[in-house]
Amino acid sequence: RKEVEQDPGPFNVPEGATVAFNCTYSNSASQSFFWYRQDCRKEPKLLMSVYSSGNEDGRFTAQLNRASQYISLLIRDSKLSDSATYLCVVNLYNQGGKLIFGQGTELSVKP
Amino acid sequence: NAGVTQTPKFQVLKTGQSMTLQCAQDMNHNSMYWYRQDPGMGLRLIYYSASEGTTDKGEVPNGYNVSRLNKREFSLRLESAAPSQTSVYFCASSASGGAINTQYFGPGTRLTVL
Repeated sequence: RKEVEQDPGPFNVPEGATVAFNCTYSNSASQSFFWYRQDCRKEPKLLMSVYSSGNEDGRFTAQLNRASQYISLLIRDSKLSDSATYLCVVNLYNQGGKLIFGQGTELSVKP
Repeated sequence: NAGVTQTPKFQVLKTGQSMTLQCAQDMNHNSMYWYRQDPGMGLRLIYYSASEGTTDKGEVPNGYNVSRLNKREFSLRLESAAPSQTSVYFCASSASGGAINTQYFGPGTRLTVL
């Protein structure tokens, strides 16, 4: 079983749609959680950290459920510029702060 | 402020050739990392350096060596390249290896081994 699992997609949605990505992780020692965004053939960039109480940044909302070992990302009012691959990432603090990446979920927002 | 830089951007090698991928950061970060990214596999950690003078193996270290030359620079060496090492290689850095561990990535090196 992969340590971090995501639905690879692709998710094809129209502009203005709401889309949700899910992620599960297997290591209960995971300490902190992130969503990174990766544009085609570019480097990953931090989108947002995920806090236990859930957090929001504009159109983006991240949720964490430690009991179920589940992380989600909700994008509201999708824009064409949101088209990218979204990477779910967990931090194994007890292993020197290593980040474990999911394989990514591809999003394509169409006009 | 360039962030994380990597050279070269592209490289084609023949099986058995050697090469060194260079990475430098100007953010005064303590920790640096090398990843490879293959289709459908996500990013996998090759080696990391929690601080200057230390290096540790990641998930897929076989066939690679690293050098943390100083605080700024962290190089990755392929001693005898194999087709299985065809991949996109990303270098990253972070202020520390702690719980809040935002990593900043370089633009990547696209390596093809024939």
